Amino acid sequence: DVVMTQSPLSLPVALGQPASISCRSSQSLVYSDGYIYLNWFQQRPGQSPRRLIYKVSNRDSGVPDRFSGSGSGTDFTLKISRVEAEDVGVYYCMQGTHWPKTFGQGTKVEIK
Amino acid sequence: EVQLVESGGGLVQPGGSLRLSCAASGFTFSFYWMSWVRQAPGKGLEWLANIKEDGSEKYYVDSVRGRFTISRDNGKNSLYLQMNNLRAEDSAVYYCSRDGAYWGQGALVTVSS
Repeated sequence: DVVMTQSPLSLPVALGQPASISCRSSQSLVYSDGYIYLNWFQQRPGQSPRRLIYKVSNRDSGVPDRFSGSGSGTDFTLKISRVEAEDVGVYYCMQGTHWPKTFGQGTKVEIK
Repeated sequence: EVQLVESGGGLVQPGGSLRLSCAASGFTFSFYWMSWVRQAPGKGLEWLANIKEDGSEKYYVDSVRGRFTISRDNGKNSLYLQMNNLRAEDSAVYYCSRDGAYWGQGALVTVSS
């Protein structure tokens, strides 16, 4: 199975400051169609996961533009340009290129 | 508005069975792959199974293959997960998902004697 490794696992951030989460895959996530199926999810406390980013850098509908995704090959990053209180939660990267789909361990974002 | 509503969770003894259902609305159910994902208490997410639009292809993670069966009824806009030979480590919140883009609220399954 493809192992997804996130860092850091805990991220205290002051309000209004930027945050960055790294995700590394154990093998290339380029699918046969040329796309990279790397997604980012947010899970607020007590809520279901919510997809923020699909195919590396595409924001889902309704996702604030302070969230951005980037990367290629095996290294990917989720950035929050200015953290707001509602961004508190756990963030997961997930690869959908290889079966089984696999998630990173999660990064807990909290307000410093 | 896309809605996914799980039901059928509960407490079951080790070795027992349970069937989860997911009622879908707000989209053409038969046009989409559907999935089950679970989350053990205080843990991360685990993608369990996928089913193709017409049910002709199904994929399972190793930890549930042979014990769990994903199925769907496009006439009823419903997704199912039949879980047999349940173990304590299967205790989790089970989410129905339209391939990651949309998620239900989850159904809690507790396996305990």
